[in-house]
Amino acid sequence: GENVEQHPSTLSVQEGDSAVIKCTYSDSASNYFPWYKQELGKGPQLIIDIRSNVGEKKDQRIAVTLNKTAKHFSLHITETQPEDSAVYFCAASSDPLTTGNTPLVFGKGTRLSVIA
Amino acid sequence: DTGVSQNPRHKITKRGQNVTFRCDPISEHNRLYWYRQTLGQGPEFLTYFQNEAQLEKSRLLSDRFSAERPKGSFSTLEIQRTEQGDSAMYLCASSFWEGNEQFFGPGTRLTVL
Repeated sequence: GENVEQHPSTLSVQEGDSAVIKCTYSDSASNYFPWYKQELGKGPQLIIDIRSNVGEKKDQRIAVTLNKTAKHFSLHITETQPEDSAVYFCAASSDPLTTGNTPLVFGKGTRLSVIA
Repeated sequence: DTGVSQNPRHKITKRGQNVTFRCDPISEHNRLYWYRQTLGQGPEFLTYFQNEAQLEKSRLLSDRFSAERPKGSFSTLEIQRTEQGDSAMYLCASSFWEGNEQFFGPGTRLTVL
């Protein structure tokens, strides 16, 4: 089955700097890669996702890149703000045409601290 | 608010008791997922439904766990004879069959004493 590895486990950056979180996956059939942000006491919130037919996607200060050959994908947050402090999870799933998307397999998370 | 809702938000129980959690998905979402999250870990898949049919169960789902979605709307997750190792956050998510995006509820935090 799919295995998702996520690094680093903790990350501290100064406000205004960029943050990068990296994930690798094992199953070449995976073709959907979302990123979630989880604040204390809350459920994960989808912040951006990418499908295997594109290599990069941007949404304001957040971008995700995907390298299918190397089986890794990354989250980039620019101009970080204190409210970006949270735990971030990457995940992977596949989307066979006959059965619909499979359950997500998550990484172990990265605790991001943005220091004002 | 039309997001995923879960009740109760917190549950404290004694070992050996049965507990039941409820999840109300986003309306019209035909897929509903249950995940479990322990401290410092990512969510782990337990089971999911398409409408009222339970399509897959993880090996994490022991025979003490049972989930239902009787009318294809809300779902319940029951844990019988709870053990201390069942202490975790139980998360529910929903999606359309055709789309990948899964939206999570706030979770139910279970503490087994």
